[in-house]
Amino acid sequence: QVQLVESGGGLVKPGGSLRLSCAASGFTFSDYYMSWIRQAPGKGLEWVSYISSSGSTIYYADSVKGRFTISRDNAKNSLYLQMNSLRAEDTAVYYCARVWQQRYFDYWGQGTLVTVSS
Amino acid sequence: EIVLTQSPATLSLSPGERATLSCRASQSVSSYLAWYQQKPGQAPRLLIYDASNRATGIPARFSGSGSGTDFTLTISSLEPEDFAVYYCQQRSNWPLWTFGQGTKVEIK
Repeated sequence: QVQLVESGGGLVKPGGSLRLSCAASGFTFSDYYMSWIRQAPGKGLEWVSYISSSGSTIYYADSVKGRFTISRDNAKNSLYLQMNSLRAEDTAVYYCARVWQQRYFDYWGQGTLVTVSS
Repeated sequence: EIVLTQSPATLSLSPGERATLSCRASQSVSSYLAWYQQKPGQAPRLLIYDASNRATGIPARFSGSGSGTDFTLTISSLEPEDFAVYYCQQRSNWPLWTFGQGTKVEIK
């Protein structure tokens, strides 16, 4: 069965960095686009970043552009999010999600909490 | 940017009742709209895609309708496990994906 397992979250000071990982299994990872989506505590969902199956096409939300970098390693069935210059407003649960039909998110991980606080 | 506005913010209903949730887009999204269910402490789950198609394993009591700018998610008879937050979502050119702010379906 499809599984997405995020890791790497934690407490970091403003201006700090963190790298999130998402381990995929149960499907041919290299065939699928992937995304990161976040949810601030008690708030709604916000799309963060997208990467094509080969990694050749990448998009970011304006709120993270220039600070976050998405990448993937198809040989390791893994998705990553490098987060630099973190701000308090980046505090959220970060989900990795599989993109389906180029439009929807059909499988999600359980999420990893990132807290940015001094 | 296409903005999705969901209403109501909260829906208070009893098990067995019918739930009708609305999602309005600031401009047409054709039929490219999805609905997700999220329970506390869990990741969202895809319920409906392309406005009216149920995702794999989703019970028939969930149905979606609409096109253009106005969409509806209907739960025909609420089960105890249906009390949750529901989000609509669309994909446009930029930003690539947006979500509505959510509708909480709570037990009355």
